[in-house]
Order: sequence, then structure tokens, then C-alpha cells
Amino acid sequence: EVQLVESGGGLVQPGGSLRLSCAASGFTFSSYEMNWVRQAPGKGLEWVSYISSSGSTIYYADSVKGRFTISRDNAKNSLYLQMNSLRAEDTAVYYCARSFEYSSSSLDYWGQGTLVTVSS
Amino acid sequence: QSALTQPASVSGSPGQSITISCTGTSSDVGGYNYVSWYQQHPGKAPKLMIYDVSNRPSGVSNRFSGSKSGNTASLTISGLQAEDEADYYCSSYTSSSTLEVFGGGTKLTVL
Repeated sequence: EVQLVESGGGLVQPGGSLRLSCAASGFTFSSYEMNWVRQAPGKGLEWVSYISSSGSTIYYADSVKGRFTISRDNAKNSLYLQMNSLRAEDTAVYYCARSFEYSSSSLDYWGQGTLVTVSS
Repeated sequence: QSALTQPASVSGSPGQSITISCTGTSSDVGGYNYVSWYQQHPGKAPKLMIYDVSNRPSGVSNRFSGSKSGNTASLTISGLQAEDEADYYCSSYTSSSTLEVFGGGTKLTVL
């Protein structure tokens, strides 16, 4: 069974940093592209970042470019999101999501999310 | 990159059909056949319902179908059921630097 479990969320002050992790199991992690998607409280989904299976290709949303860094450790079946210079508008549930093998533009498995709250 | 445009809400009675639209530009929806649709129940993670405009992943009911015309994609749900009540989001590949863009979401109410 495919499982994605996020961790690392919490309360952080504006300007602070946080590192999210996503532990993957039930599939060959190193063969799949991965993404982070966030959802502010009561709002819609916002795609945040993408990383290819090898980690060689990375994309970011304009709203996080220069502040967030996506990475992965295929040996540990783990995906990460380093978030720096956090702002109030970064407050959201952050989901780890796997790209669908038949269409990398689609996300076929999602974790349950981890809440990040940026507030003083 | 602006979000794709979806109606805020739609409603229908059990057994009826409804359609949710998703309007973008030639840089995303209109330019590529990479539109996806997701269903999200309250407090739950999104679920992939349609990929590449009109394809259903294994296990998704054939009551769900997708299509596209120009810069607008559509999700149709036929034979509405109470459990279809949820938020629905479209997404598309975009040729901008950001790769993917979501719609603002549509709340479906089954009357």
C-alpha cells in the first residue's frame, strides 16, 4: 500500500525556517517524481514545488522561489522541503504528493498533510 | 501565475448530472492535454479523479468524465450521489516557469 507521511510542521515566527519531511513507503520511491502542494486554511490548493526522480530537475511556484528548497534522499525514501524566510501567507497545510506514472502532471497519491503556521 | 478559473459553487439533486468548468489560457489548459481533476472531502487529502483531460485512474467511477474545448476544461458528474458532495479542483501543466497551476476550487452540493 502506498503511504506518504509528512512531518515537521508547527508554529514558527515570521522570518523563521522550517524543514518538512515526507516518508514514502509501498512503492519504489526512486522511480517517481514528487511534489509539494499547500492549502491555506479555508482556501484552495496551491502547487509549491516539483522534483524529478533523480533530483536533477526542480521547479518552484513563483510565490516560494528563492525561499524554499525541495530535495530528496532516495536511499531513505524521503522527500524534503526546506522553508526559509517564512511569511504569514505561507501558513497552510503542506501535502507531499506523488506524480502519476502515466502523467507526471497529475498527482495520484497524497499524504495527510502537515500544518505550518507562521505567526508571532 | 494566476489560478485557473472555476465557479465557486455548483449544486444538483441526486441522479442528476452537473458540469464544473475550468478556464485558463493558451499557456496552460488550452495549450496542453494535461488537465487533471481532484476531489477533496472536508479534512481529507485530495483524490485524483481525471488525468490528461479525460482519463480516469483505476478505481474511479465512470460517472466522472472530463473534456476540453479551447481554453476551458470541464468535469461532468452523472448520476449524482450524496458522497459526491465535496470540493473539486482542476489543475493544468503550464508553460510558465512554475510548471503546474490549480483552479480556485468548486464546492459541489448535492441537494
